[in-house]
Amino acid sequence: GAVVSQHPSWVICKSGTSVKIECRSLDFQATTMFWYRQFPKQSLMLMATSNEGSKATYEQGVEKDKFLINHASLTLSTLTVTSAHPEDSSFYICSASGVWENIQYFGAGTRLSVL
Amino acid sequence: EDKVVQSPLSLVVHEGDTVTLNCSYEVTNFRSLLWYKQEKKAPTFLFMLTSSGIEKKSGRLSSILDKKELFSILNITATQTGDSAIYLCAVEEWVQGAQKLVFGQGTRLTINP
Repeated sequence: GAVVSQHPSWVICKSGTSVKIECRSLDFQATTMFWYRQFPKQSLMLMATSNEGSKATYEQGVEKDKFLINHASLTLSTLTVTSAHPEDSSFYICSASGVWENIQYFGAGTRLSVL
Repeated sequence: EDKVVQSPLSLVVHEGDTVTLNCSYEVTNFRSLLWYKQEKKAPTFLFMLTSSGIEKKSGRLSSILDKKELFSILNITATQTGDSAIYLCAVEEWVQGAQKLVFGQGTRLTINP
């Protein structure tokens, strides 16, 4: 149980385009979903926290207009990187937790390469 | 500033050895400490520790938390090549009513046959 699916696993896009990443909880209802960014050989850095049906809470230094987060249902959250630039190239990973426990279960991540 | 520090950052041992991974932390509103294993992509959950001195065990893996000294250790006995991974330590805190995980840098463990 507690499976989180993230799609796509890898995306390459041109500078200036937007990219959407999906995060789905497959076998539980995720009241809260989290989006992280991971640079090579560095730890996971929390970008934002989203609760179903409400606006996401962004960490300091994360541009909310650039990284749009939507958590429209208890099983789906999306991260849209708008007007992507090469410096946005990174590994983005989501996690989800349910109502019954505070353990976050992670998706497999999305490697974004902006040319 | 809240921080989680893991050591060593990298460890290479032979199959069958026992390893101990360390995690120390300084956070304001501690709730729990979690260990994850990250092989290729998705970190997979190992343990959640909330109380001091109570060992959690799963097969060859075990972990314990010391809330007085602010650290945790993860032990792996009789290591196998499949244990090769990055082990992440994260501390759960609650900030303004919201859960937040603060991650350490990870320990890259390599088990050689």
